[in-house]
Amino acid sequence: GDSVTQMEGPVTLSEEAFLTINCTYTATGYPSLFWYVQYPGEGLQLLLKATKADDKGSNKGFEATYRKETTSFHLEKGSVQVSDSAVYFCALYRMDSSYKLIFGSGTRLLVRP
Amino acid sequence: GAVVSQHPSRVICKSGTSVKIECRSLDFQATTMFWYRQFPKQSLMLMATSNEGSKATYEQGVEKDKFLINHASLTLSTLTVTSAHPEDSSFYICSAGMTGGISTEAFFGQGTRLTVV
Repeated sequence: GDSVTQMEGPVTLSEEAFLTINCTYTATGYPSLFWYVQYPGEGLQLLLKATKADDKGSNKGFEATYRKETTSFHLEKGSVQVSDSAVYFCALYRMDSSYKLIFGSGTRLLVRP
Repeated sequence: GAVVSQHPSRVICKSGTSVKIECRSLDFQATTMFWYRQFPKQSLMLMATSNEGSKATYEQGVEKDKFLINHASLTLSTLTVTSAHPEDSSFYICSAGMTGGISTEAFFGQGTRLTVV
């Protein structure tokens, strides 16, 4: 079945460091891919998405490129801020899956001043 | 973006009692709502999909008599954990899809931490 695998956290970085959170997926067909973020005490928010191969999603300085050949959707940011501290979830969705989102386990990011 | 409110955010209950969790879409109508469960350090797992005015569709392995879902209006879905036991302790999250939308337009509640003692 479909699945999403994320790197385990927590990831601890200093402010202005480069961030990569790895995400790979297993799915039949051509899923859409997402990154969601959950700030402390809040719900999940869509951070960015990509709907087809080679698409790049971007938002708030974060980027992720849909790589079909490596079945990956790694999240990157060139310079993290303390305010980026949150839990990040990679997810996929297939049009024929009754609108179900399949999530990775989440990666906690802690950015220190 | 659209707002989904989930209540309560935390609840502690005694074993054997029932707990109701509400999920409301505050500024849009949600024909479809989803209920997820998250164990510590694990993925969000979809429990069920509820459509307004019809019975919920449960994922394999989810006990429908244990987790009662009602979606009586376009802005409210409820999840009732019946005869709760300590193993039901978990983080429950709802999401709502906008009318005619797909899950790319799903908006999430803040989650409910259930502890059964």
